Amino acid sequence: GAVVSQHPSRVICKSGTSVKIECRSLDFQATTMFWYRQFPKQSLMLMATSNEGSKATYEQGVEKDKFLINHASLTLSTLTVTSAHPEDSSFYICSALRASGGSFSYEQYFGPGTRLTVT
Amino acid sequence: GQNIDQPTEMTATEGAIVQINCTYQTSGFNGLFWYQQHAGEAPTFLSYNVLDGLEEKGRFSSFLSRSKGYSYLLLKELQMKDSASYLCAVMDSNYQLIWGAGTKLIIKP
Repeated sequence: GAVVSQHPSRVICKSGTSVKIECRSLDFQATTMFWYRQFPKQSLMLMATSNEGSKATYEQGVEKDKFLINHASLTLSTLTVTSAHPEDSSFYICSALRASGGSFSYEQYFGPGTRLTVT
Repeated sequence: GQNIDQPTEMTATEGAIVQINCTYQTSGFNGLFWYQQHAGEAPTFLSYNVLDGLEEKGRFSSFLSRSKGYSYLLLKELQMKDSASYLCAVMDSNYQLIWGAGTKLIIKP
């Protein structure tokens, strides 16, 4: 099946620093990628929709200046957590949409996630 | 507003069949996804339905009724490894995903 990778898988950073997380679709082109965060024992929370070549669409309550998203190519989207704080510690997951079959059929593949710990 | 409802938790017996329901109210509809998520891991894609009817993939089947805003995930021949959370998500008219809170499925021997 299709593979989506994330790098790094785990990162620990100091409060006030910035962290970049990469999401790559390894064997297909993804015009749309999604970024989620998940707190322990809670469901996924969509942060933003990343479209190649255009600005990301952020969900309500998500600070676009704090969580910078860049979808520079059809296989790569990056999420940069700027000026990280301990409350940003979470599990960040990306996913990529792959069109399958006809125009209205999609499959979505998730990356393995990145665990961010801000100290 | 947009809303996805699914039961919080279900319990079933190994070898049995279980059906997890999902109802939705969204701005437009571009398909419904089901995912499986084991604790501490990213969700795994299970199915995508955009047309009414039943889609079967091995032990898992997913059904959709757009007129009723309803879907279910059917798991047959349950195995202990099927213990996980099952997430229902709908893609709305803007191609954004609206997520349910997930159903925790507990399988007992």
